[in-house]
Amino acid sequence: QKEVEQNSGPLSVPEGAIASLNCTYSDRGSQSFFWYRQYSGKSPELIMFIYSNGDKEDGRFTAQLNKASQYVSLLIRDSQPSDSATYLCAVNGIGNKLVFGAGTILRVKS
Amino acid sequence: EADIYQTPRYLVIGTGKKITLECSQTMGHDKMYWYQQDPGMELHLIHYSYGVNSTEKGDLSSESTVSRIRTEHFPLTLESARPSHTSQYLCASRDDRLYGYTFGSGTRLTVV
Repeated sequence: QKEVEQNSGPLSVPEGAIASLNCTYSDRGSQSFFWYRQYSGKSPELIMFIYSNGDKEDGRFTAQLNKASQYVSLLIRDSQPSDSATYLCAVNGIGNKLVFGAGTILRVKS
Repeated sequence: EADIYQTPRYLVIGTGKKITLECSQTMGHDKMYWYQQDPGMELHLIHYSYGVNSTEKGDLSSESTVSRIRTEHFPLTLESARPSHTSQYLCASRDDRLYGYTFGSGTRLTVV
């Protein structure tokens, strides 16, 4: 079992819809969780982080964390074609290193 | 505005050559990391450092080496490049476990 698991996708949503991206992790001791966006050929860019159970909102993005169920999700409201990218979930692991999932490809169709 | 810089952005080099990929950050971060990523594939940690004179190998076996003589500088060296080293190399740094990494723009290496 991988430490951080994501559905590889692609997840296709129409423009204006809500995109829901999910991630599960195996280490119950993990304390901090991150979502990165990576455009093709570019480096990952941090878009959200969350430490506490519940929801955290930032503009069109909402991160949701459920430590009991060991999952973290990212909702993107009013999806735009410019949101089309690979979204990487990352979890703070042993030795202060981030453990990354393989990423979910999101395609927003206009 | 990037606070972590990687050079060169693109490099095409012949087999057997020695190369050094540069990474510098101006944020004073102690922790720095090198990742390797093939197109459409996962990030693989190849080296990391927790401060000056600290270097460790990552989860993915790599023939590269790193050094950390100054806080801001974390270069990666390949003594003898091979076509199997063709990949994108990403450098990152972080300040505290509560914060994520800041990535550099990456170096896309092609060994012919």
